[in-house]
Amino acid sequence: AAGVIQSPRHLIKEKRETATLKCYPIPRHDTVYWYQQGPGQDPQFLISFYEKMQSDKGSIPDRFSAQQFSDYHSELNMSSLELGDSALYFCASSPLRGPSTDTQYFGPGTRLTVL
Amino acid sequence: AQSVSQHNHHVILSEAASLELGCNYSYGGTVNLFWYVQYPGQHLQLLLKYFSGDPLVKGIKGFEAEFIKSKFSFNLRKPSVQWSDTAEYFCAVTHPGAGSYQLTFGKGTKLSVIP
Repeated sequence: AAGVIQSPRHLIKEKRETATLKCYPIPRHDTVYWYQQGPGQDPQFLISFYEKMQSDKGSIPDRFSAQQFSDYHSELNMSSLELGDSALYFCASSPLRGPSTDTQYFGPGTRLTVL
Repeated sequence: AQSVSQHNHHVILSEAASLELGCNYSYGGTVNLFWYVQYPGQHLQLLLKYFSGDPLVKGIKGFEAEFIKSKFSFNLRKPSVQWSDTAEYFCAVTHPGAGSYQLTFGKGTKLSVIP
């Protein structure tokens, strides 16, 4: 079965550079979530999109922005990178946003290292 | 704000031992509950979920969990663990009753199974 695709899988950047992470949800999933998992930490919610509109916002820094495109893929744009941004960034998708259907399926993650 | 507590940071068991991992959540409204597993170097995989109905839910790989509303708990169990169960386990909740579908995770429990 098709899964969530994330690219790139690994990314190394210098401080103050920018990075763009991409997420391709499972076909027919219209909701995308972004999470950040620091070393030895639990995943923290950043932002989500439903039908190409931002639906929820978590602890996402102002230096980060994201959007969902007409084909439902999403991009997380990160600027002025800091050492503390080094983490695993997961994307998850879910079908039909609703109380009995909200199950999120995670992609393999992008490991971002900021030097 | 809602929170999820996982009581054990690291659990070490011998193969064939029984497992119970504790999870408590703080939100009093309608919640959906999840257990995810993260094998070393891999992404989060859904083990099981509870939305409503029978409070005892069965998941993949012989795992089950029991929702006890009065205790705000959703403990994960497995009667006999295997070496391949070595992983980190995350309890998570969403709050569809409040229109919130983002996952709030516990800090995770690292399980080490000794052959």
